Order: sequence, then structure tokens, then C-alpha cells
Amino acid sequence: AQTVTQSQPEMSVQEAETVTLSCTYDTSESDYYLFWYKQPPSRQMILVIRQEAYKQQNATENRFSVNFQKAAKSFSLKISDSQLGDAAMYFCAYRILNDMRFGAGTRLTVKP
Amino acid sequence: DTGVSQNPRHKITKRGQNVTFRCDPISEHNRLYWYRQTLGQGPEFLTYFQNEAQLEKSRLLSDRFSAERPKGSFSTLEIQRTEQGDSAMYLCASSTPSGGFAGELFFGEGSRLTVL
Repeated sequence: AQTVTQSQPEMSVQEAETVTLSCTYDTSESDYYLFWYKQPPSRQMILVIRQEAYKQQNATENRFSVNFQKAAKSFSLKISDSQLGDAAMYFCAYRILNDMRFGAGTRLTVKP
Repeated sequence: DTGVSQNPRHKITKRGQNVTFRCDPISEHNRLYWYRQTLGQGPEFLTYFQNEAQLEKSRLLSDRFSAERPKGSFSTLEIQRTEQGDSAMYLCASSTPSGGFAGELFFGEGSRLTVL
């Protein structure tokens, strides 16, 4: 069975600093997709960044980047120059075909 | 079109009653998903439609749950004889075929169910 583990229920970062959120997953498949979604309080989930497993290069979207370690089945999210608006729940997700599995989430607090 | 719309946003019901949630996806999206999210957990997959066809159902979807997507447009999720364990946020998401399975899911704001 495919599982996604986020080992940090809560994280805190000072505004303008960098924070890394961890995610590991378990799968026997070789072709899949990985995502990080953000869920602000009382608002819908939005995509932050995605990574195709066949690509070795780590994805980057502005201040957000990932460290994808396929052999270790690790997919961490780095947020640089953290902003107050980054405060939210962050979910790591793994997708194969139409099956998308989410981790339990990490609540990120940004301190001014 | 402003995104995926879900109604009602919050439903409080007594145990044993039936409830129905509606999801209106983004108009050009032919794929529609239902997820359930309990407090402190990530979303759990319930079911998936491609156009009007329900192609996948999770084992979480007991026989008290039924989902439909007539004409491939909006979808409804009905829960019969609700139980307190059904209390959760029910999320709807939609996507287009473009981008394949790397494609983004667009989520609604969810319908929160509280069963007393």
C-alpha cells in the first residue's frame, strides 16, 4: 500500500527565514508524481509545487523548492524568505494514476 | 468561473438523518474527485468520476454513501443514516485531462458535516 508520512505535525519559522518540511512515502512503483499542497485556514487547498518521479532535477517555483531523493523516497519542501502569508497547513501527496494519497500535514506558523 | 464550488459549506444534522452535498467543478474539467478530511488528517480519497462515469470507489465509501454525477457536470454525495463517525470535511476536487496524472487537482472549500 502507498503511504505518505509527514513527521512534523507543526513547524515554526521567522519571517524572511528558510524552513524545510519533510515528507517520506512508501511505494513499489517507479512512475508516479509528488505534490505539495497548501491549505490556509478556512480556505481551499492550492497546489504549491509538483515533481515527476522520472525527473532527476528538483522542481522550483519562486520561493518554493523541493529536495527529491527517489532512492530514499523522500520529498521535502523548502520555503525561502518566508512570508506571513505562507502560514498554513502543508500536505505532501503522492499520485499514481488516479490515486492521490495525502500525508497528515504540517502546520506552519510564521512569526513576524 | 471562480473555481470549484461546494454547498452547503456547513451542515449540522442528527444521527440517522440523510444529508446531501453538492459540488460544481470548474466548467471544462471532466474529472471530479471526492475526499474526506478529518481533524488533524490529510484528505482521504472516496471516489472519482470521469465525465458521468464513476470509475473508482474507496473502501471507505460504505453502502450508506452514494455519489452521482449526472450529465458529467455537477456531482452530489449523499450520506444515508448518518453516524457520528461521518463528521468530517468533505472535499471536492476537479481536474482536466491535460497534464495527465501530473495534472493539478483544484479543490473546493469543502462541506463540513457535524453529526450530533
